[in-house]
Amino acid sequence: KAGVTQTPRYLIKTRGQQVTLSCSPISGHRSVSWYQQTPGQGLQFLFEYFSETQRNKGNFPGRFSGRQFSNSRSEMNVSTLELGDSALYLCASSLEVYSYEQYFGPGTRLTVT
Amino acid sequence: AQTVTQSQPEMSVQEAETVTLSCTYDTSENNYYLFWYKQPPSRQMILVIRQEAYKQQNATENRFSVNFQKAAKSFSLKISDSQLGDTAMYFCAFTGANSKLTFGKGITLSVRP
Repeated sequence: KAGVTQTPRYLIKTRGQQVTLSCSPISGHRSVSWYQQTPGQGLQFLFEYFSETQRNKGNFPGRFSGRQFSNSRSEMNVSTLELGDSALYLCASSLEVYSYEQYFGPGTRLTVT
Repeated sequence: AQTVTQSQPEMSVQEAETVTLSCTYDTSENNYYLFWYKQPPSRQMILVIRQEAYKQQNATENRFSVNFQKAAKSFSLKISDSQLGDTAMYFCAFTGANSKLTFGKGITLSVRP
């Protein structure tokens, strides 16, 4: 069974632009979560989606948004990029909301210049 | 709010020896799960081991085992017979009723040949 895939793997954007990252969960997994990883703040939870609905949201500004499609694929969007948004964005999928085991993708490395 | 603390930023161990990574957490919940994740230099996060809080028996996965002390809110990972491939960053993580993962800052483990 294929693992979690994320596209693109690397991205360079300029301040003020917006970006969309994509995540395809493991086949059969219905829950997708997003995390931001930076050297300073570590791993921080962004949001979780299940059945196309956002179930949980972390403490991030409204510039960070996401959605989930009927096939469980998910996208996250960051608008008006800031230098501090440079990070590794990790997507994780799990079978159900309370299945507790999350499987991570390789991440998208976003650099904002 | 839950917190996860990994106080050691880095450790080093000789190949074939045993090493223990420490983690403490704080929560008011009674039902939760604890995890150790491994993130090798290639950046793919891998689940190493998990522990259900309601189980008194410590989890074991091959060379990896945990020492779960619920009253002390302590969850350490023991790696036996360390191998070069164990070189990675290790994250302790907690999940409770809201199913989001809260991570510690991580510890960089280097296995010396």
